[in-house]
Amino acid sequence: EPEVTQTPSHQVTQMGQEVILRCVPISNHLYFYWYRQILGQKVEFLVSFYNNEISEKSEIFDDQFSVERPDGSNFTLKIRSTKLEDSAMYFCASKGQPVANTGELFFGEGSRLTVL
Amino acid sequence: AQSVTQLGSHVSVSEGALVLLRCNYSSSVPPYLFWYVQYPNQGLQLLLKYTSAATLVKGINGFEAEFKKSETSFHLTKPSAHMSDAAEYFCAVSFPSGSARQLTFGSGTQLTVLP
Repeated sequence: EPEVTQTPSHQVTQMGQEVILRCVPISNHLYFYWYRQILGQKVEFLVSFYNNEISEKSEIFDDQFSVERPDGSNFTLKIRSTKLEDSAMYFCASKGQPVANTGELFFGEGSRLTVL
Repeated sequence: AQSVTQLGSHVSVSEGALVLLRCNYSSSVPPYLFWYVQYPNQGLQLLLKYTSAATLVKGINGFEAEFKKSETSFHLTKPSAHMSDAAEYFCAVSFPSGSARQLTFGSGTQLTVLP
């Protein structure tokens, strides 16, 4: 069964360092997303990406964040200068083509980021 | 704007008892509704979804949910709880097909199953 894969599963970094989280969405999907979940809190939307550009972003997704689809398979989230409050689980998700699309997002297992 | 409200951040039931997790939604257009489950230290797994077909939706692991438009609800139920059901459950709402807009999650309900 196709699945969304994320790497790394866990990353520890020092405050101020750049971090790149990688995702390989399901191959025929067109819409891509990043969500985050701070420990013990709700899952929050960060950004959606379609047709090689950002479709929508939340207030959390400030200038420190960027997304990219550098090739036909990867979808990355970059945090330029990490802060302590960026420590969270980051989930990548993808969604299928409109004809077969029921709105369901398929999530990866998550990348846990710990900022020290 | 779309939103979901989950009543009760923590629910405890005895093994074998009925599970009822509440979710109410707000949406300006007919929504798609989902329940996701998150086991400890794992990702989000889809339990079931409502996509404007049958109002009673059956999912995995014996869970089901009923879409009630008049009550704007999509409560999750399971007739008999099992210890393995202990997890966090998230209700979520989405716009219909063709939209790139995001899934909006509720705040989650932590289910504890007591022996």
